Amino acid sequence: KNQVEQSPQSLIILEGKNCTLQCNYTVSPFSNLRWYKQDTGRGPVSLTIMTFSENTKSNGRYTATLDADTKQSSLHITASQLSDSASYICVVSALWTGGGNKLTFGTGTQLKVEL
Amino acid sequence: EADIYQTPRYLVIGTGKKITLECSQTMGHDKMYWYQQDPGMELHLIHYSYGVNSTEKGDLSSESTVSRIRTEHFPLTLESARPSHTSQYLCASKGYEDGSEQYFGPGTRLTVT
Repeated sequence: KNQVEQSPQSLIILEGKNCTLQCNYTVSPFSNLRWYKQDTGRGPVSLTIMTFSENTKSNGRYTATLDADTKQSSLHITASQLSDSASYICVVSALWTGGGNKLTFGTGTQLKVEL
Repeated sequence: EADIYQTPRYLVIGTGKKITLECSQTMGHDKMYWYQQDPGMELHLIHYSYGVNSTEKGDLSSESTVSRIRTEHFPLTLESARPSHTSQYLCASKGYEDGSEQYFGPGTRLTVT
């Protein structure tokens, strides 16, 4: 069964500090992995996408890594801001025998940035 | 910012009422999806469509129904709302390519009393 597990479940950090969120998956056959940011009461917004051959990808203060061998990904947030407070969801896409891709969602890491 | 819209954003309704959650996108995407998300939980796919007149049930069983008469419109209907239907409903769409991004709407927070 395809699964995506994220840790920690929740995290509180001080503004300006860095943090790293983890994602482990057992999805196959692997197609790509995305990190989404979901503000409270809003829909998720894509931050990064990584395919099998990519190890790292950055989007501003967000840097995602992927180790396809160990099936692990991380999202590193640098110099956190209050606006980074949100749920961060790891979504892994598998190639679907019926055509197209099938997404498996993690439960998310709830990040709160405080003054 | 994605051009995908959901209305209403919040809905509180009594048991037994029929409701329709609206979703529309102006990106010309063929593929559209409905997800259900409880607080602090992962998104669960309840319906999807790969084009006009195409609708399929997702991984999570749902008493809701959907229709796809126009490319840009993918409404979700509950014939008789129950408290167990209380949840957040997220609509999404994506382009034809397998690796293209899935864009999400802002969601509808449904409460059935």
